[in-house]
Amino acid sequence: DAGVTQSPTHLIKTRGQHVTLRCSPISGHKSVSWYQQVLGQGPQFIFQYYEKEERGRGNFPDRFSARQFPNYSSELNVNALLLGDSALYLCASSRTLTGRYSNQPQHFGDGTRLSIL
Amino acid sequence: GQQLNQSPQSMFIQEGEDVSMNCTSSSIFNTWLWYKQDPGEGPVLLIALYKAGELTSNGRLTAQFGITRKDSFLNISASIPSDVGIYFCAGQTGANSKLTFGKGITLSVRP
Repeated sequence: DAGVTQSPTHLIKTRGQHVTLRCSPISGHKSVSWYQQVLGQGPQFIFQYYEKEERGRGNFPDRFSARQFPNYSSELNVNALLLGDSALYLCASSRTLTGRYSNQPQHFGDGTRLSIL
Repeated sequence: GQQLNQSPQSMFIQEGEDVSMNCTSSSIFNTWLWYKQDPGEGPVLLIALYKAGELTSNGRLTAQFGITRKDSFLNISASIPSDVGIYFCAGQTGANSKLTFGKGITLSVRP
């Protein structure tokens, strides 16, 4: 089975532009989360979506938004890009959020490397 | 944002040696996970731990969920060159909630 797929793999933008990053979860996975990883750091949580609804939001400005589609794929949008938005953007999927004691580890894609000039 | 504590930043070992890494937090987590990231790739799940005190193995890797719920340990035995990479610990407070990561430890293995 295919893992989490993200597109594009690399992207170069200039300050002020906007960007859309895409993610397809593992087949059968209904939850998608987005993380930002800057060089030398661990991933930082941005959003979590489940069944097309936002279930969690990290400490990121309103320039960041996301959505999930009926087929469980997801998009991350970033407006008014800043130099500091340069990072690896990772998407992770998990099977479900339901079940208090269900163990659903998140599996990551290889990310989109975003460079802001 | 909050991050888990991993140190040292880098570790250098000889092929065949065992290595141990730990991860600590000032907060309690109910799930601990260990991921490995290679250059140009996303983190790959190595081991997930769901109960305090749990000890779980995956091949040459063994990880433990600390009894206080504030720490976890990863041991790699008989290291090989392909063990090179960045090892991240991550914690979850609730089932299927967001992951909080450490800064990672870069492991180098000398042949």
